Amino acid sequence: DAKTTQPPSMDCAEGRAANLPCNHSTISGNEYVYWYRQIHSQGPQYIIHGLKNNETNEMASLIITEDRKSSTLILPHATLRDTAVYYCIVRTPTSGTYKYIFGTGTRLKVLA
Amino acid sequence: DTGVSQDPRHKITKRGQNVTFRCDPISEHNRLYWYRQTLGQGPEFLTYFQNEAQLEKSRLLSDRFSAERPKGSFSTLEIQRTEQGDSAMYLCASSSATGGWEETQYFGPGTRLLVL
Repeated sequence: DAKTTQPPSMDCAEGRAANLPCNHSTISGNEYVYWYRQIHSQGPQYIIHGLKNNETNEMASLIITEDRKSSTLILPHATLRDTAVYYCIVRTPTSGTYKYIFGTGTRLKVLA
Repeated sequence: DTGVSQDPRHKITKRGQNVTFRCDPISEHNRLYWYRQTLGQGPEFLTYFQNEAQLEKSRLLSDRFSAERPKGSFSTLEIQRTEQGDSAMYLCASSSATGGWEETQYFGPGTRLLVL
């Protein structure tokens, strides 16, 4: 039921930008895109979210295409501590709140 | 630390035993969620509370599972007659309804259950 498609794994050199793609071709007009990451044996950590404009915070940047069918999470200077599974989620309204439907994510490995 | 907390962090039990997990959400958050995560998979939604009311339950939540949030603060998830297939990480998240369109769920560290 996941609404997103991500590559299963990626490698990135330490200090370089990590660009993680996500396809969400069935997204509806009012559905937000959220990104979380999960470091081994910990709970998912919120990174960033957006609707249609590009967003930036202290952790990352989110680029959403004009048709909103895909997005890219950018970690500008990856460090070894950024090694984690990254989940792209389309937040779906349900019963007065929002449901997250996780896919299997992208396993990012930052290499020294 | 004002994040979501969960207790215990790890639980090993024998098949057939009952287990109970606790989640303490971020203090001002009125919405609380339980998810289950098996090895190699993303978290799967189990159930959701707004204050003390349980408003949605996934079909994954069998009759052996029960969740409560009696005073609209902490929540418990009980599994009766555990089975080996219940082995998983159980995650709790919370959010605030006042977030509006920007409402974001924040996750706890999880409780890892192993059923022998």
